[in-house]
Amino acid sequence: GAVVSQHPSWVICKSGTSVKIECRSLDFQATTMFWYRQFPKQSLMLMATSNEGSKATYEQGVEKDKFLINHASLTLSTLTVTSAHPEDSSFYICSATTSGGRETQYFGPGTRLLVL
Amino acid sequence: DAKTTQPNSMESNEEEPVHLPCNHSTISGTDYIHWYRQLPSQGPEYVIHGLTSNVNNRMASLAIAEDRKSSTLILHRATLRDAAVYYCILRPPYNTDKLIFGTGTRLQVFP
Repeated sequence: GAVVSQHPSWVICKSGTSVKIECRSLDFQATTMFWYRQFPKQSLMLMATSNEGSKATYEQGVEKDKFLINHASLTLSTLTVTSAHPEDSSFYICSATTSGGRETQYFGPGTRLLVL
Repeated sequence: DAKTTQPNSMESNEEEPVHLPCNHSTISGTDYIHWYRQLPSQGPEYVIHGLTSNVNNRMASLAIAEDRKSSTLILHRATLRDAAVYYCILRPPYNTDKLIFGTGTRLQVFP
């Protein structure tokens, strides 16, 4: 089946530093990747939609200068949390899909970020 | 986007069937009904989806009401590994693939 990986699986950083999270589709080409954020005991919140070779589309209320998304190839998207603060501590999850329409989304295992 | 309503939590015993309901009274004629589940500390995983007819796969069955205003995810024999949050999500065809997650149903399975 389709596999999506994320790296790192967890990260602890100091306030003010930037953190990069990678999302890779291992056995398929992902035309579209998505980034979600999940706080404890809450549901997933979509942050942005990323298409290969084009700028990401951010959901309302998500700061694009704060959460930089790059989708340089059909198998890799990165999310950079710039100048992270404790309130950015969360579980970040990516997903990937092969085409538009009603295709299944394949999710990564998530990256847990703790900002001290 | 059409909304879904699910119970916050449900309980089941191992080996018993589980029926997880979802109401979507504002569903449009072209919305697909998707179910995903999220095990603790993991990303969600696809379970099943359908449009009008009931669907079966190795994980579960999806029963869709004739008027499509509700659906039920059926786990035929719950196991401890089925303990998860189950999300019922509508996907309109004009929406560029994105999934909007509601609060879902937290399923507890007891031995």
